[in-house]
Amino acid sequence: GAVVSQHPSRVICKSGTSVKIECRSLDFQATTMFWYRQFPKKSLMLMATSNEGSKATYEQGVEKDKFLINHASLTLSTLTVTSAHPEDSSFYICSARDQGAGEKLFFGSGTQLSVL
Amino acid sequence: DAKTTQPPSMDCAEGRAANLPCNHSTISGNEYVYWYRQIHSQGPQYIIHGLKNNETNEMASLIITEDRKSSTLILPHATLRDTAVYYCIVRDANSGNTPLVFGKGTRLSVIA
Repeated sequence: GAVVSQHPSRVICKSGTSVKIECRSLDFQATTMFWYRQFPKKSLMLMATSNEGSKATYEQGVEKDKFLINHASLTLSTLTVTSAHPEDSSFYICSARDQGAGEKLFFGSGTQLSVL
Repeated sequence: DAKTTQPPSMDCAEGRAANLPCNHSTISGNEYVYWYRQIHSQGPQYIIHGLKNNETNEMASLIITEDRKSSTLILPHATLRDTAVYYCIVRDANSGNTPLVFGKGTRLSVIA
């Protein structure tokens, strides 16, 4: 199936710093990508929808100034957690749809963020 | 909100068939049933999907009841590597660029 590459897989940072997570569609173009967050033993929660060439759409309760999303090309979306705090520690996952594969969505391998 | 109901957990002996049920009593005529699974500390992995007919691929079989209000995912010969959380999701056939909405899923433990 289609491949979605997410990097880094794990990051540890100090409180107050910013962290950038990259999500790439390796063998297809994605006009839309999705960012999820997952806390331990919980399900995936949609944070935002990333649209190539336009502003992201954020879910209710997700601070757009804290979670900056940039989708500058058809194969790359980035999520930047600004001024990270310990409560931002979570597993972040991106997803994209390969239009050539119908309605299926493919997921990155996730990024475990730990803020000290 | 997720439109499906799944048992929170199940156990299965290694080598036996794992049958994971899902209720989707409010499914509409143009909604597919999708199954994904998430192995610990990884992103979700697509397994299979179907509309009305039963489906089979190299990973699993999907059995959908005639009234489409429930379905069962079957892993014919479960292995330890099949231990994961399995998510049943209903999704409109014309969803286009809309995200998947995840419920709580079923945590399947395959036991040696």
